[in-house]
Amino acid sequence: QLQLQESGPGLVKPSETLSLTCSVSGGSIRRTTDYWGWIRQPPGKGLDWIGSIHYSGRIYDNPSLRSRVTMSVDTSKNVYSLKLTSVTAADTAVYYCVLLSREGRADSWGQGTLVTVSS
Amino acid sequence: EIVLTQSPGTLSFSPGERATLSCRASESVSANYVAWYQQRPGQAPRLLIYNGFIRATGIPDRFSASGSGTDFTLTINRLESEDFAVYHCQQYGSTPLTFGGGTKVDIK
Repeated sequence: QLQLQESGPGLVKPSETLSLTCSVSGGSIRRTTDYWGWIRQPPGKGLDWIGSIHYSGRIYDNPSLRSRVTMSVDTSKNVYSLKLTSVTAADTAVYYCVLLSREGRADSWGQGTLVTVSS
Repeated sequence: EIVLTQSPGTLSFSPGERATLSCRASESVSANYVAWYQQRPGQAPRLLIYNGFIRATGIPDRFSASGSGTDFTLTINRLESEDFAVYHCQQYGSTPLTFGGGTKVDIK
């Protein structure tokens, strides 16, 4: 069964870069029709889609974050990554890595990791 | 972007009752590409319904959904204790993918 696990620092200082990795187990990251994505949830709030990446490198991202987001896939390690630059307190959230269908529904979710932006 | 509104924010029911949750889109959702997710406290969301009405694998048949265009509904029949949670709707008919603010179903 496919499993996703987020990893990365739980605390990031304002103006610095948030970096997260999602490890995929129980299956290959080279799924031809699916995408790998990131969704975040600020404390007590709803869900926000950050972006999605295909193992080939094709990316769909949220225009609201586009200027600050970089996503990549490492097929040799079966992982994919997120970088969010110039973070502020508004970026404090639980970050989930997800498997999305080609259409965009989130079929599988990691357990999530809380990232707090604070000095 | 398509804005999804879920109201009210909280609904209260007794176990065994039927819950009907609403999700309204600011514009028509292409192909009725709406999904519903359940999120229990401290857990990640899980997919319940996709393409507007199709139950995901392993989801009990007391969960059903319907709708088209801009109005979508999730119905939970015979509420069980494990069903008291937050429910999110999502549209994936166009990018950016967007979610509603969620509806909490709690115990009366």
